[in-house]
Amino acid sequence: DQQVKQNSPSLSVQEGRISILNCDYTNSMFDYFLWYKKYPAEGPTFLISISSIKDKNEDGRFTVFLNKSAKHLSLHIVPSQPGDSAVYFCAAWSSGTYKYIFGTGTRLKVLA
Amino acid sequence: GAVVSQHPSRVICKSGTSVKIECRSLDFQATTMFWYRQFPKKSLMLMATSNEGSKATYEQGVEKDKFLINHASLTLSTLTVTSAHPEDSSFYICSASPSAGAVVYEQYFGPGTRLTVT
Repeated sequence: DQQVKQNSPSLSVQEGRISILNCDYTNSMFDYFLWYKKYPAEGPTFLISISSIKDKNEDGRFTVFLNKSAKHLSLHIVPSQPGDSAVYFCAAWSSGTYKYIFGTGTRLKVLA
Repeated sequence: GAVVSQHPSRVICKSGTSVKIECRSLDFQATTMFWYRQFPKKSLMLMATSNEGSKATYEQGVEKDKFLINHASLTLSTLTVTSAHPEDSSFYICSASPSAGAVVYEQYFGPGTRLTVT
């Protein structure tokens, strides 16, 4: 049972435009949601997080939106840059279980 | 930022042998460390949670006798894959949660170890 899903395995965006990566979850008990960026053969790098009591968090070019009623979150990258090309994972954290559940990942390719 | 290292970064071993992977937090103490496994083009799957000085907690379906975890100090956790078989070939990633973390969900990931069993 995949509690955190990223239904788009890949996404291509033109440089300078907006990249929108989506994530859906099933467990309403998650406390925090996080986005990680990962290059092949490397560990994930933290990008941005959001508490379950918020609906938006912004950090530079990255903004995460949370829609609790829809159990949906999204990561917006504006403007997209070629260096943003990587696999992006959303992760949900529960204080009850004290662990991350990762989504399946979306491969973003930003075209120059 | 906090740095987590893993050693080795890549290892090839013969079927039936054991392999040890080290995970170190270089500039902070980590009460809790996590071990993940990633199959090609798949998500990171949590294998086990290890707390310093106590036994690891394994996720359902992970054989604790096959994947031995030791968290002997606040800066070092080891994962030993015993009697490795080709199906154990994977990318193994550790993460560490600072003992004095600002946020409860804070984790820092190592660069991963590519294990290939021939």
